[in-house]
Amino acid sequence: KAGVTQTPRYLIKTRGQQVTLSCSPISGHRSVSWYQQTPGQGLQFLFEYFSETQRNKGNFPGRFSGRQFSNSRSEMNVSTLELGDSALYLCASSSNSPIAKNIQYFGAGTRLSVL
Amino acid sequence: GEDVEQSLFLSVREGDSSVINCTYTDSSSTYLYWYKQEPGAGLQLLTYIFSNMDMKQDQRLTVLLNKKDKHLSLRIADTQTGDSAIYFCAESPDTGRRALTFGSGTRLQVQP
Repeated sequence: KAGVTQTPRYLIKTRGQQVTLSCSPISGHRSVSWYQQTPGQGLQFLFEYFSETQRNKGNFPGRFSGRQFSNSRSEMNVSTLELGDSALYLCASSSNSPIAKNIQYFGAGTRLSVL
Repeated sequence: GEDVEQSLFLSVREGDSSVINCTYTDSSSTYLYWYKQEPGAGLQLLTYIFSNMDMKQDQRLTVLLNKKDKHLSLRIADTQTGDSAIYFCAESPDTGRRALTFGSGTRLQVQP
């Protein structure tokens, strides 16, 4: 079974641009969550999608948005990039079974550098 | 709010046991996890434990949970150089939310 796939692995953008990151969950998983990892703030929850609906959102500005498609693939978008948005962005998927619903499996991440 | 704390660094010799500790504040934490991150990689789920358990063993890994003290530990037996990585403790409540709260990570250095 393939794991969580994130594309691209690396991105370089300049301030003011926007960026879209993609995540394909494990087959059969319908929940996708996004996290930001930085040296200063550590791992922080961005948002979670389930059945194409945002179910939960972390404490990030509105420049950070996401969506989920009917095949459970998800994208996150960051508009008007700032230097502080440089980070590793991690996607995680989980199933909806009663026992495993909170068990999240992570992808390799997309490393975004904002110049 | 929720908070998860870990010590920053641990150094052990190859073949010894490693014990990484974590404390959390959210009394509603139902799921507690250990993830491993190697350089340039994502997070690898090592193991997890439900709050109604005291201990879980999985090959070289032993997780101990003291719910009264809100203390979680991960013991790695016979530590190998390939175990060198950053280990993250995380928690989530059973409210249907998927948001994990992570500790700052413990860097494990295994000396040959």
